[in-house]
Order: sequence, then structure tokens, then C-alpha cells
Amino acid sequence: GDSVTQMEGPVTLSEEAFLTINCTYTATGYPSLFWYVQYPGEGLQLLLKATKADDKGSNKGFEATYRKETTSFHLEKGSVQVSDSAVYFCALRSSGGYQKVTFGTGTKLQVIP
Amino acid sequence: NAGVTQTPKFQVLKTGQSMTLQCAQDMNHNSMYWYRQDPGMGLRLIYYSASEGTTDKGEVPNGYNVSRLNKREFSLRLESAAPSQTSVYFCASIQGEAGSPLHFGNGTRLTVT
Repeated sequence: GDSVTQMEGPVTLSEEAFLTINCTYTATGYPSLFWYVQYPGEGLQLLLKATKADDKGSNKGFEATYRKETTSFHLEKGSVQVSDSAVYFCALRSSGGYQKVTFGTGTKLQVIP
Repeated sequence: NAGVTQTPKFQVLKTGQSMTLQCAQDMNHNSMYWYRQDPGMGLRLIYYSASEGTTDKGEVPNGYNVSRLNKREFSLRLESAAPSQTSVYFCASIQGEAGSPLHFGNGTRLTVT
């Protein structure tokens, strides 16, 4: 079945550091890929998405590229801020059936001033 | 624009008590989902409803029942609460179009003592 593996946290960075959170997936067909962000006490919000191979999703300075050859969708940001402290979830939506959405276990990011 | 609305936000139950978590969406989405979120385990699917009038089990359905009351509303019922059901519960909905993301409510934090 479908699965998503993302790097374990927590990740602690200083403000303005470069961020990478790794995400790899297993799926049949052509899934859509997503990054969600969860701030403390809130629900998950869509951060960015990509729907086909080589697509790059971007939002709020974050980027991720859909790499079908390596089945990866790594999240990057060039300069993190304290306000980026949150939990980040990688997810995929399968292309068939009821379009199941599968989540990774989440990576907690803490940015210190 | 309300999106996905969950009630209540917090609930404390004693073992053996019952309760229903309510969820409503105003985006005319066909599919709705209930997830639970536990530390270190990401989001796990409890039940989903691909369309009005249908419901199916997800990964962790034991101890829960659901009702898709109409296209807008999808409720989750705990008939006899257990401490293992202490968790944060999220309702979500999705548009049928390929590549569309899940939209989440803000969650219900449930504690069973």
C-alpha cells in the first residue's frame, strides 16, 4: 500500500539557517504530493503541493520538488524564521479509488533566535 | 468562509461514557474523513465517507462509529470511551478533483480518564 516516510525530529535551527526536511514515498500510479504545517493548538494547513513529476510547489519561502525517479518530495527553505516553528507533515493522495490520503509521522521544527 | 467546523474543541470523559464529535463542511465536498493524532504517530485514519450515504473503515476503526448525516455533516461516535482513545481528533474534507488537498477542522482534544 501507499506509505510516506519523513525524517524524524525534532529539528532545531537558528534563525536564518537553511532548512531541509526529507520525505520519500511509496505509491502506485501518479499520486499528488503535499506538505502540511500544523501550528500549536491548530489543525493542519496546506503549505504547498505538486501534482506531477518535476512540479515544484512553493509558498511562504518554502519549496519542494516532485522527484519521481527518487520518489521524494523534500521540503526546503533558505532562511527560517522563529515563526516557522511548527510540525510539518508530508502526505500523498493516491490517484485512484476514493483517493486516499496518507501522511508521514510529522517533523517538529523549532527555530531559535 | 467557515470551511470545516468541529465541535466541541475540548472534552473530558470518564471511561465507559459515550459522546459524539460533530463535523460540518460548507465547501460542497463529497468526501469526508476522521483522523486521530497521537504523539509520534502522525495522523491515522479512523473512518471515511467517499460520498453521501457511504462510510468505510480506515486504519483504526475499533471503538468508533460514524454517520454521514448529509453531504455537509459527518459525525464520529464513541460508544464506550476508553483511555486509549485519548487523542486529538481531526475532521477533514476533500474535493473530488485530482490533486486537491484535504481541508482540516481545528480539532477536538479528547481526554478519557
